[in-house]
Amino acid sequence: DAGVTQSPTHLIKTRGQQVTLRCSPKSGHDTVSWYQQALGQGPQFIFQYYEEEERQRGNFPDRFSGHQFPNYSSELNVNALLLGDSALYLCASRDRGAYEQYFGPGTRLTVT
Amino acid sequence: AQTVTQSQPEMSVQEAETVTLSCTYDTSENNYYLFWYKQPPSRQMILVIRQEAYKQQNATENRFSVNFQKAAKSFSLKISDSQLGDTAMYFCAFMKHGAGNQFYFGTGTSLTVIP
Repeated sequence: DAGVTQSPTHLIKTRGQQVTLRCSPKSGHDTVSWYQQALGQGPQFIFQYYEEEERQRGNFPDRFSGHQFPNYSSELNVNALLLGDSALYLCASRDRGAYEQYFGPGTRLTVT
Repeated sequence: AQTVTQSQPEMSVQEAETVTLSCTYDTSENNYYLFWYKQPPSRQMILVIRQEAYKQQNATENRFSVNFQKAAKSFSLKISDSQLGDTAMYFCAFMKHGAGNQFYFGTGTSLTVIP
């Protein structure tokens, strides 16, 4: 049973560019959340998707957007990248009726 | 808003000894869940232990146990018989009861187990 997977592992982008990160949830999970973890900090909630819609959103600007596909996989898009967007981006999945989240290994984004 | 505070940025413990990591939280909710996650250098966040606020009994998972003090809003993690593989960042997390709610994380405690 595959756990949560994320791609790519690492990514380097230039300020002003756009980036797309991908996540496949654990088998049987229908809810996907995205978190940003800056260096030395705890993860900060970006947003959550289920039934292909954004259901909750944290305190992040509209430059951060997402999508969930019918197979429950998800994408995180960040436009107009800033240096401050450099972070580890974590995807977490769960069954909507459960409260435990399972995390992927993350994508390390570096903005230069 | 919910906040989670971990006041110990770094801790160390001798192998086979016991260590306690502290966590406090602030909420006006009565029903919620608390978690401890481990993040080793590999970056994968791994669930260590969870506690439902409505349960008075402290959760235990093998060498890991918690001391949950609801009135004091405190949720500490005790690791017994520390092993080298316990070296990692440990994050305390809070979630309100109800489907689809987000997690709130503390800033983490870096634990080093010394051989």
